Amino acid sequence: DIVMTQSPDSLAVSLGERATINCKSSQSVLDSSNNKNHLAWYQQKPGLPPKLLIYWASTRESGVPDRFSGSGSGADFTLTISSLQAEDVAVYYCQQYYGVPFTFGPGTKVDIK
Amino acid sequence: QVQLQELGPGLVKPSGTLSLTCVVSGDSIRSSNWWSWVRQSPAKGLEWIGEIHHSEYTNYNPSLKSRVTISGDKSKNQFSLKLTSVTAADTAVYYCARGYCGGGRCFGNFDSWGQGALVTVSS
Repeated sequence: DIVMTQSPDSLAVSLGERATINCKSSQSVLDSSNNKNHLAWYQQKPGLPPKLLIYWASTRESGVPDRFSGSGSGADFTLTISSLQAEDVAVYYCQQYYGVPFTFGPGTKVDIK
Repeated sequence: QVQLQELGPGLVKPSGTLSLTCVVSGDSIRSSNWWSWVRQSPAKGLEWIGEIHHSEYTNYNPSLKSRVTISGDKSKNQFSLKLTSVTAADTAVYYCARGYCGGGRCFGNFDSWGQGALVTVSS
């Protein structure tokens, strides 16, 4: 199985400031057949299912605000919220879909400082 | 817009069988997408259980494969999960989800989710 790790476990950021979450996979998730990283980011608020934010490591899902951005390649990835808003308080998960079983990171909780 | 809804008992006895159904609207389970079950617990976080395609082809998480069956009912546009020999460790919120398709191919990230069904294993 590809093991996903995230750091930090939690972070508190002031409104309008930048939040950065890191994700590492135990092996590369770059698919040479399409030159794409099979890495997604999700946002989950209490009592709700995860919501897809970003796929292919850096492609925003339709309707996702452009303050959310993803970067990285191979086995190291980053989710950045450029200017934190109150509605961004949530837990964020990365997920690899390079190989079965698909696996998720343990999550990073983002709060307002 | 696709909608998924998980249906099934919220309480299952130890050693029993957990059965859930995902009713899909706004899309067809005959489509190119793969349809998955994912569960979430405090102990294990988000865990992919398995997926089904065209109501025929399945992939399972090896950690659960011996206990899991995912099946589809095209006539009712729904797919189901059966997990046998459950223990307290199987207590979780169970989600059904649609796999993403793009560029003529389909993948294992999930663009639509049901609201989730809490299943507790207890006597």
